[in-house]
Amino acid sequence: DAGITQSPRHKVTETGTPVTLRCHQTENHRYMYWYRQDPGHGLRLIHYSYGVKDTDKGEVSDGYSVSRSKTEDFLLTLESATSSQTSVYFCAISEGISNQPQHFGDGTRLSIL
Amino acid sequence: SQQGEEDPQALSIQEGENATMNCSYKTSINNLQWYRQNSGRGLVHLILIRSNEREKHSGRLRVTLDTSKKSSSLLITASRAADTASYFCATDGSGANNLFFGTGTRLTVIP
Repeated sequence: DAGITQSPRHKVTETGTPVTLRCHQTENHRYMYWYRQDPGHGLRLIHYSYGVKDTDKGEVSDGYSVSRSKTEDFLLTLESATSSQTSVYFCAISEGISNQPQHFGDGTRLSIL
Repeated sequence: SQQGEEDPQALSIQEGENATMNCSYKTSINNLQWYRQNSGRGLVHLILIRSNEREKHSGRLRVTLDTSKKSSSLLITASRAADTASYFCATDGSGANNLFFGTGTRLTVIP
């Protein structure tokens, strides 16, 4: 398995609190992604990174920010969590964008009460 | 949306039978990928097929691509209980910088 670690694996928090999810890779892949997975919607891209300090928005970026200060770490932040952000969040990495497979972490289950 | 759509949404078969899942998409693509997701886990890449390819094999998996119909199919032959999972297609879409995933087909293989 590709070396991808997501932390925490589970989190319960309250509306209005800040939340940061971490993705750590040991593969030295250039591209990193954050997705959310909800019933009926499949996986939707939140943000992605194509290098250190290089990021771009995905399909559902509102309410989320990201940072990548090192090749191996990609952080997803919910500045003020809302109940609609309750979801399972997946990090993925790849060597290329669409012509290479993506390798996924095992997800973070986030519940916002 | 450029999201692909899998069909059927759910499929239940007996062990040893073949399973076929279909994916339709809306825009032209460069590549199409198939992934598997076991319950509670992340997605695992199965196979990538390029737009100039019509068929690709990997073990018990066979993927076809028909760009004129904007559709792809995944065939799993001689299914096993361990194949029970959700299967997703993902497309890049012309000019897109990322992948668009469908909502998946949930396959149950009954021992």
